[in-house]
Amino acid sequence: EAQVTQNPRYLITVTGKKLTVTCSQNMNHEYMSWYRQDPGLGLRQIYYSMNVEVTDKGDVPEGYKVSRKEKRNFPLILESPSPNQTSLYFCASSLDRGASPLHFGNGTRLTVT
Amino acid sequence: EDQVTQSPEALRLQEGESSSLNCSYTVSGLRGLFWYRQDPGKGPEFLFTLYSAGEEKEKERLKATLTKKESFLHITAPKPEDSATYLCAVHHFTGGGNKLTFGTGTQLKVEL
Repeated sequence: EAQVTQNPRYLITVTGKKLTVTCSQNMNHEYMSWYRQDPGLGLRQIYYSMNVEVTDKGDVPEGYKVSRKEKRNFPLILESPSPNQTSLYFCASSLDRGASPLHFGNGTRLTVT
Repeated sequence: EDQVTQSPEALRLQEGESSSLNCSYTVSGLRGLFWYRQDPGKGPEFLFTLYSAGEEKEKERLKATLTKKESFLHITAPKPEDSATYLCAVHHFTGGGNKLTFGTGTQLKVEL
């Protein structure tokens, strides 16, 4: 089954404790992206990757890092999480940037206290 | 400034009561408009892509249309299982290249 898998689904952590959210896709997609979803603000792009070893900032990149060492994986790293990063995070993939529909994971709900 | 606005924010319908959701946009260089459905606790799921004014797409009780300024998602004789948040996203040109901008969604509840 074609899918984007994110882990964990729920994460509660404390300010400053580094964490990683994993994302993997099995569709051989070149394009992958991370979004955060907040009430009233909709989906906002954090980082995206056009291919292996190619990553770029989205609209809200501050406080986040990503890497793309393999085509299927695109982890999101929060080196020093802060409470304003409490949000619902989605990983997505597609054949290309923008022209093709995105396939989303089921989300990671992060709470930073 | 590029903007995508969805209305209403929330909509309550009786089963069988048809209605429309709106997605209006002010962007330069529209390349396509997407509709997604999002169920609670899940990621958005792709419904339709529209590329040019006048285009229409249909799937079961849903029909999406596009003009130069907005898109409508028409829901005919909805059922409770159509309850979800519907998102639109606009693919467009910006100074930095292509971009996908999402609206904030319409939360639809269909009651028996």
